[in-house]
Amino acid sequence: QVQLQESGPGLVKPSETLSLTCTVSSDSINTYYWSWIRQPAGQGLEWIGRIYTSGSTDYNPSLTGRVTMSVATSKNQFSLNVYSVTAADTAVYYCARGFTYGFDYWGQGILVTVSS
Amino acid sequence: DSPMTQSPSSVSASVGDRVTISCRASQDISRYLAWYHQKPGNAPKLLIFAASTLQTGVSPRFSGSGSGTDFTLIIDNLQPEDFGTYYCQQSNSFPRTFGQGTSVEVK
Repeated sequence: QVQLQESGPGLVKPSETLSLTCTVSSDSINTYYWSWIRQPAGQGLEWIGRIYTSGSTDYNPSLTGRVTMSVATSKNQFSLNVYSVTAADTAVYYCARGFTYGFDYWGQGILVTVSS
Repeated sequence: DSPMTQSPSSVSASVGDRVTISCRASQDISRYLAWYHQKPGNAPKLLIFAASTLQTGVSPRFSGSGSGTDFTLIIDNLQPEDFGTYYCQQSNSFPRTFGQGTSVEVK
C-alpha cells in the first residue's frame, strides 16, 4: 500500500515562501511522476505541477515563475516551493502519485494559510 | 489549457438511485480521462481511469464511458457512502485540469 504524507508550516506570511515536503512510503520514488495539487476551501482542484525522479518538471502556467519542485530520491521525498505568496495561495495542498491517466495515490492534504 | 466542464453542478438523489454525471473537454482528449470521488475533509479517491477502467477495489456500481470530448460517469444503486463530490480530470495535455465538480447530495 503506497502512502504519501505532506509536511510543512500551516501558516505562511504574505510575500514569503510556502515550502512543503511529501514523504512516500511503501514504494520507491524512482518510478512514476509525483505531483502537487491544491484546493482552496469550498472550491475545486488545481494541478500545480509534477516532477520525475530525473528532476524533470512540468508546471501549471498559472503559477509559472512562482513555483519550483525538487526530489530527494534517497529520502523518498519530493518538495514544493511557492514564492511570493498571497491570500489566494491559501488552500489544502495535496501530493499525489501520477501515472498516464491520472493520480492513483494521494496524501491526506495539508492546510496552508497565508496570513500576517 | 484544456478546460473540463461537468454537468450538473449538483444532483439530489436517494439511496438506490442511478446517478449520471457528464464531463466535456474543450478539445479531443482521446481516453485520457479519470474520475474521482471526494468526501468532505478527505483527499480525492480515484474511481475510473482511461475513461472506463475501474480502479482496483472500486465498486462495480461505478462505470465510465466516452472518448474524445464527451464522457459519462454512472453510479448504479447509489449507496450512503457514495455521497460527496465527483471530479473528472484530463491527462491528455498540460496543465492537467479538473472539472469544477458535481456534488451528489441526499434528496
